[in-house]
Amino acid sequence: DIVMTQSPDSLAVSLGERATINCKSSQSVLYSSNNKNYLAWYQQKPGQPPKVLFYWASTRESGVPDRFSGSGSGTDFTLTISSLQAEDVAVYHCHQYYSTPWTFGQGTKVEIK
Amino acid sequence: QVQLLQSGAEVKKPGASVKISCKASGYTFTTYAMHWVRQAPGQRLEWMGWLDAGNGDTKYSQRFQGRVTITRDTSASTAYMELSSLTSEDTAVYYCAILAGWAYWGQGTLVTVSS
Repeated sequence: DIVMTQSPDSLAVSLGERATINCKSSQSVLYSSNNKNYLAWYQQKPGQPPKVLFYWASTRESGVPDRFSGSGSGTDFTLTISSLQAEDVAVYHCHQYYSTPWTFGQGTKVEIK
Repeated sequence: QVQLLQSGAEVKKPGASVKISCKASGYTFTTYAMHWVRQAPGQRLEWMGWLDAGNGDTKYSQRFQGRVTITRDTSASTAYMELSSLTSEDTAVYYCAILAGWAYWGQGTLVTVSS
C-alpha cells in the first residue's frame, strides 16, 4: 500500500499569511505514460464531506479560489494557501489514486492564529 | 448537477450487518465508478472499495475483503455498500463518492456500532 504522510498535523496561521501543507507518498504516484501525478487535495469542514481542491496534483477544481495552489511531483507535494482567510479553516487531506488501495494522508488541521 | 444521496444514519449491534444506499442523479449512472470511503472518529479517510457501475465489477481493499459487498441497481441509479460482522471499530461516517481525480461525494452516513 502507498502510505501518504502529511506535515504538519496542524498549523495556526494569521489571517492574510501563507499556509503550507506537505504531503509525501511512500512511492511515486507519477504515471510515466501520461506524465500525470495521481494526487488530489481535499478540504473538509466539520460535518461535511471532503471537497476536492486539486487533482493531478495541480489542476484546480472549478470555483476554488486562486489563493490555493497545488504543486509537486513524484513523491513530494505541497498545498499552499497564499493568504489565509477565515473560511479556509478546515482539515486538508492529500489522496493518491495511483494504485489500489487508494489511500489518504492523516489530514492537516488549519486554524487561525 | 451531479448529486449522490445516501441513506440515513444507522445504529447496529456488534456482529450485525449494515447496508447503505447511494442514489445518483445528474449524470448517467453507468458512466463512472462508485467508490466507498469511510472516516472513523479521529482517523484518516479510508478507501473501502469500488464498483464499476457499467459492468458491476468490484474491487475491495484487503482490509475489508470478505466483509464488504458493493452492488448496484442500474434501474434505480443506486449503489449499495454492505458491511458485515460489525464491531465498535466500524463506527464511522461512510461516504459514496465518484473519485476520478475530480470528485463528487455523498453527504455521508453515520454508522454507530454499540451494544
